[in-house]
Amino acid sequence: EVQLVESGGGLVQPGRSLRLSCEASGFTFEDYAMHWVRQSPGTGLEWVSSISWNSGSKTYADFVKGRFTISRDNTKNSLYLQMNSLRAEDTALYYCAKSFLGGSYYAIDYWGQGTLVTVSS
Amino acid sequence: QPVLTQPPSASGTPGQRVTISCSGSSSNIGRNTVNWYQQFPGTAPKLLIYTNNQRPSEVPDRFSGSMSGTSASLAISGLQSEDEADYYCAAWDDSLNGWVFGGGTKLTVL
Repeated sequence: EVQLVESGGGLVQPGRSLRLSCEASGFTFEDYAMHWVRQSPGTGLEWVSSISWNSGSKTYADFVKGRFTISRDNTKNSLYLQMNSLRAEDTALYYCAKSFLGGSYYAIDYWGQGTLVTVSS
Repeated sequence: QPVLTQPPSASGTPGQRVTISCSGSSSNIGRNTVNWYQQFPGTAPKLLIYTNNQRPSEVPDRFSGSMSGTSASLAISGLQSEDEADYYCAAWDDSLNGWVFGGGTKLTVL
């Protein structure tokens, strides 16, 4: 059974940093692209960043470019999102998600339960 | 503003067939396949349809997808009360080099 478990969320002041983690199990992690997708309270889904199976391709939404960095450690079956210079508008539930195959453009087929990030003074 | 356009709401009575539309552009739906997700309140999205019209094995065949040009549709036949949820379309966007989502459609079963 595919499991994606996010952690690292919490309350943080504007301008500060936070690092999200996602621990994967139930599949061969190194074979699949991974993603971060966020959802603000009461709103829709918003793609944040994707990373290919071998970290050879990393892509970001414009609103996080230069502030967020996606990475993965295939030896630890883990995905990360380093979030710097956080803004109030980054407040959201952050989902870790898996692609159907190794490229980021393949369908997202599994989602974690999310970790909540609240940016407020 | 979401890149893909969906109606904010849809409704139907039990047993009816409802469709939800998703409109995009040449850089996303016009070039890449569409996926649909179902989300219940307080839970993570679940893949409902992938590659325009393919269903994961656990998804009932009451759910179907189609695509034409730069638009896609999700159809739900034999509507049931447990289908009441939010539905999102998604596609890879070649210009943005990332995933784009619709704003979501809240389906109400009357």
